[in-house]
Amino acid sequence: GNSVTQMEGPVTLSEEAFLTINCTYTATGYPSLFWYVQYPGEGLQLLLKATKADDKGSNKGFEATYRKETTSFHLEKGSVQVSDSAVYFCALSVGGAQKLVFGQGTRLTINP
Amino acid sequence: DADVTQTPRNRITKTGKRIMLECSQTKGHDRMYWYRQDPGLGLRLIYYSFDVKDINKGEISDGYSVSRQAQAKFSLSLESAIPNQTALYFCATSDSAGTSVSYNEQFFGPGTRLTVL
Repeated sequence: GNSVTQMEGPVTLSEEAFLTINCTYTATGYPSLFWYVQYPGEGLQLLLKATKADDKGSNKGFEATYRKETTSFHLEKGSVQVSDSAVYFCALSVGGAQKLVFGQGTRLTINP
Repeated sequence: DADVTQTPRNRITKTGKRIMLECSQTKGHDRMYWYRQDPGLGLRLIYYSFDVKDINKGEISDGYSVSRQAQAKFSLSLESAIPNQTALYFCATSDSAGTSVSYNEQFFGPGTRLTVL
């Protein structure tokens, strides 16, 4: 079956620190990979995506590279800000059904 | 104005009561989804609909039913609510005819927090 595993949270960092949130997946077929972000009290928003191996998705200073050989899609940011505090979800979809399979989410808190 | 709206935003109810959660969208998308979010479990798919006449069960459909009243409206019902249905519920939409950039992107509503006592 299809599944996504994210690093356990919560994660607490100081402002300007380097961020990595690990994500690995298993999939039948060739998935598209996503990172969604959920700010407090809001729904999920797409942060970035990649649809084929070695693609790099990027947005708002965040990056993730689709690594087929390691079945991974780790989220990184070089210098986090307090406004990056949120819950981050890694997700995949396979085929044309557009059904998303989510990881468990990682809560990130950035302290000033 | 929000593209995907959910009502109510918060609801407290008692075991055995019938509850309906509503979702409306102005994005013109044909596909709609209902998820529930539980701490430590991420989001899990309850039901999804590819158009008004096409409704499909997701990963955790037991205890839930849905109705697609129009392309823009998708309701989730709990016929007899139980405490373990306490969760945050999200509606989402996507466009099957989207471009290669937007294809597979889902747009989420703000969520409904449901508590079953």
